Amino acid sequence: GENVEQHPSTLSVQEGDSAVIKCTYSDSASNYFPWYKQELGKGPQLIIDIRSNVGEKKDQRIAVTLNKTAKHFSLHITETQPEDSAVYFCAPPRRNQGGKLIFGQGTELSVKP
Amino acid sequence: GAGVSQSPRYKVAKRGQDVALRCDPISGHVSLFWYQQALGQGPEFLTYFQNEAQLDKSGLPSDRFFAERPEGSVSTLKIQRTQQEDSAVYLCASSPHPAGDYNEQFFGPGTRLTVL
Repeated sequence: GENVEQHPSTLSVQEGDSAVIKCTYSDSASNYFPWYKQELGKGPQLIIDIRSNVGEKKDQRIAVTLNKTAKHFSLHITETQPEDSAVYFCAPPRRNQGGKLIFGQGTELSVKP
Repeated sequence: GAGVSQSPRYKVAKRGQDVALRCDPISGHVSLFWYQQALGQGPEFLTYFQNEAQLDKSGLPSDRFFAERPEGSVSTLKIQRTQQEDSAVYLCASSPHPAGDYNEQFFGPGTRLTVL
């Protein structure tokens, strides 16, 4: 089955610094790579995604990069703010299996003011 | 507009009791998913509905778990004879399209189930 690994499991940065979270997957057929943010007491929320025909996508302070050869994709957050503190999950779905998301273990990001 | 809602938000059950967890998806959303999230872990897939049809229940951990969506809108996840290992947050997600590889899923806040 699909294996999804995230690193690091925890990340602490100073406000204004950048944060990078990496996700490694095993299914070479995967073609969609989303990142979800989960705040305490809430459900996950999609913050950015990328399809396999694109190497990078940016939306204001967040970006996702994809390396299909190495089978990993990364979340980049620049100019971090305290409200970025949350748990971040990569969740590539199983290809052609109805879109069920396969979540990584999560990265707890703490942004210190 | 209104997002996905779930009720109750918190449920405490004694071991052996039956529980029913409700999900109200975003109006008009075709796809509905249930996930189980253990403490400190990522959500794990339980089951998927397209309208009223349960197309995938491969993630249900045992026959004590049962889900339904009889009219293609509200869904209920039922757990019979609850066990301590059932303690988790149960998340519901909906999506406007039939499930495919690229669909964003909109999650509810979850129901935290604690089995004593």
